[in-house]
Amino acid sequence: DADVTQTPRNRITKTGKRIMLECSQTKGHDRMYWYRQDPGLGLRLIYYSFDVKDINKGEISDGYSVSRQAQAKFSLSLESAIPNQTALYFCATSESTTGSHQPQHFGDGTRLSIL
Amino acid sequence: GEDVEQSLFLSVREGDSSVINCTYTDSSSTYLYWYKQEPGAGLQLLTYIFSNMDMKQDQRLTVLLNKKDKHLSLRIADTQTGDSAIYFCAEARGSTLGRLYFGRGTQLTVWP
Repeated sequence: DADVTQTPRNRITKTGKRIMLECSQTKGHDRMYWYRQDPGLGLRLIYYSFDVKDINKGEISDGYSVSRQAQAKFSLSLESAIPNQTALYFCATSESTTGSHQPQHFGDGTRLSIL
Repeated sequence: GEDVEQSLFLSVREGDSSVINCTYTDSSSTYLYWYKQEPGAGLQLLTYIFSNMDMKQDQRLTVLLNKKDKHLSLRIADTQTGDSAIYFCAEARGSTLGRLYFGRGTQLTVWP
C-alpha cells in the first residue's frame, strides 16, 4: 500500500461545484502539504499544516480551503470550482524535526478537470 | 529573484551523461533536493545534499553544489531511456523551516 494516498485519482466536474480532494498517510508524519502542478509552472504550494491544530496559507490559497481532520488526514476543498483550477494536485508529508533533513514524500496526485 | 530556476528541456542520447542545472535563491538554504517525476506519478525523492557539502555521489548520480554562485547540478552517468522524466530542484530555505521551494522542472528526454 502507498504511504501517501490521494483520492480520487481523477475527477471531472462542472464550474460552480464543490469539490473535495482527500489525502491520507501511514508515515506518521506531522506535516502535510497541498500543491498544484501546472505544465511549465512546477509546483505551487496551496496550504500546509505542521500539526493537527496548525493551518497555513501557501502561495496560492485563494479559492481553496483545507481541513486537517487527524494527523493522518488532510483534505483540500474547492468551494466553487472554476476552469482555471484545472490542474494536477499533490499531497505531501514530512517529518517535523526542526533544522534537519526533512524531505517531502508525495502521493500520486489527483488530476482535476473543471468544465 | 525569488524563484528557483531550471531550464525546461534537455535531450540526450542513451549512454551519454546528462547534466541538469538549477539556480537557487537563499544562501542560507540548508538542504537542496532533486526529485524525479515519471508520467502519471508523483514526485520521488532522488537525492539531496546538505549545504556544507560540495559534492555527493550516489551510484550513477552526482550532485555538485556551488554555494558562492547558488548553483546546483545533477549529473546522471550512462543515461538510460528509463531516466526520461521531469526533474525538480528544491531548496529548504533557512528562514522558512519545513517548506520547500521548487523549480519549474526540467523535462529530460533520452533517445535510443
